[in-house]
Amino acid sequence: DAMVIQNPRYQVTQFGKPVTLSCSQTLNHNVMYWYQQKSSQAPKLLFHYYDKDFNNEADTPDNFQSRRPNTSFCFLDIRSPGLGDAAMYLCATSKELAGLNEQFFGPGTRLTVL
Amino acid sequence: DQQVKQNSPSLSVQEGRISILNCDYTNSMFDYFLWYKKYPAEGPTFLISISSIKDKNEDGRFTVFLNKSAKHLSLHIVPSQPGDSAVYFCAASAMEGAQKLVFGQGTRLTINP
Repeated sequence: DAMVIQNPRYQVTQFGKPVTLSCSQTLNHNVMYWYQQKSSQAPKLLFHYYDKDFNNEADTPDNFQSRRPNTSFCFLDIRSPGLGDAAMYLCATSKELAGLNEQFFGPGTRLTVL
Repeated sequence: DQQVKQNSPSLSVQEGRISILNCDYTNSMFDYFLWYKKYPAEGPTFLISISSIKDKNEDGRFTVFLNKSAKHLSLHIVPSQPGDSAVYFCAASAMEGAQKLVFGQGTRLTINP
């Protein structure tokens, strides 16, 4: 089945220790998104890639970076995690960028910062 | 500045009755609205959508109503089933200009047998 896969499902890191979250897709979609969702809050878009073009949201902290080495994979790097970065991180894909395109989500990675 | 709001964090409904989930938005540029459903330990999955040229869209037990003048939409589930127990997210976007999806905080729906 075509899908969006996130690894690991649970990640524990220490305050200030860099961490990388992984997302892969078998849908061959052009767009990949990273969202941050804190408890009882709306998923918040951090950035997206359209093919190799990176688009950062204006309020995404510099601490968050992303890489997309190929169509299938996208990584979220948190350079120096703080306690406030503990959240669920959701990866999503869509065929194209326009608002009509359905986004397909992975199961998420829950990040704990100690 | 929350552009999409779901004011009810939770809702409990008896099996077989109607579930009504509400969503309000503030940005008049939004012209496409979606509902996503999320089970525990899974990502959100698309449920139903509506564009601003319509005021109703129906898919089986699920109907979404849009009131543009009130900037309000609602999701009706009838009859409600235990498998409908999940968190429901409302989301909005603009169809032109490659606008992003903006999500509400979600409403946890519990269907009681």
